[in-house]
Amino acid sequence: QMQLLQSGPEVKKPGTSVKVSCKTSGFTFASSSIQWVRQARGQRLEWIGWIVVDSGDTNYAQKFQERVTITRDMSTSTAYMELSSLRSEDTAVYYCAADQGHTKFDPWGQGTLVTVSS
Amino acid sequence: SYELTQPPSVSVSLGQMARITCSGEALPKKYAYWYQQKAGQFPIQVIYKDSERPSGIPERFSGSSTGTIVTLTISGVQAEDEADYYCLSADSTGSYWVFGGGTKLTVL
Repeated sequence: QMQLLQSGPEVKKPGTSVKVSCKTSGFTFASSSIQWVRQARGQRLEWIGWIVVDSGDTNYAQKFQERVTITRDMSTSTAYMELSSLRSEDTAVYYCAADQGHTKFDPWGQGTLVTVSS
Repeated sequence: SYELTQPPSVSVSLGQMARITCSGEALPKKYAYWYQQKAGQFPIQVIYKDSERPSGIPERFSGSSTGTIVTLTISGVQAEDEADYYCLSADSTGSYWVFGGGTKLTVL
């Protein structure tokens, strides 16, 4: 069974960074891409960026270009999303999702709540 | 920047048909994907590649595409279908992904 298990909730101060992990199982990690999406409370889903696991190539939404880094660890089948220079508007649930086989953004992780507060 | 446009809300009576549209300039060339999100839960894919249904998704969910508009149709809506629905597609370069604004489906 394909599964993405994300790290636990985080509370961060403005100006600091957060790193969220996404551990995968049940599919061939090396043949996939991992997407990152966030959702503020009551708001729409917002695409952050993706990583092609095999090559390590990344692509980021313009809005996050200067502040986000997506990486992966092949040895543990885990992807990471690090967001820096946090501000209160970054408070949201952050999701990872897998591109594999015939489809995109399926399945999803359970989400990680990141709260940015002074 | 590229945008996908959805109606904010759709209401339908129990057992009737619901149609949710999503419009975008690149949709004639890029596949659309549809997600159902219930309150407090992560999104679940209900349609991929415009009209394909993932295993485990009820047959009442279907998708279609005509020009710059893709449509999610739910035939014989059930109470458990009440949720937010999002379309997803890539821009013309295929490098950047965009979600629609989401449509809240209310079952009357």
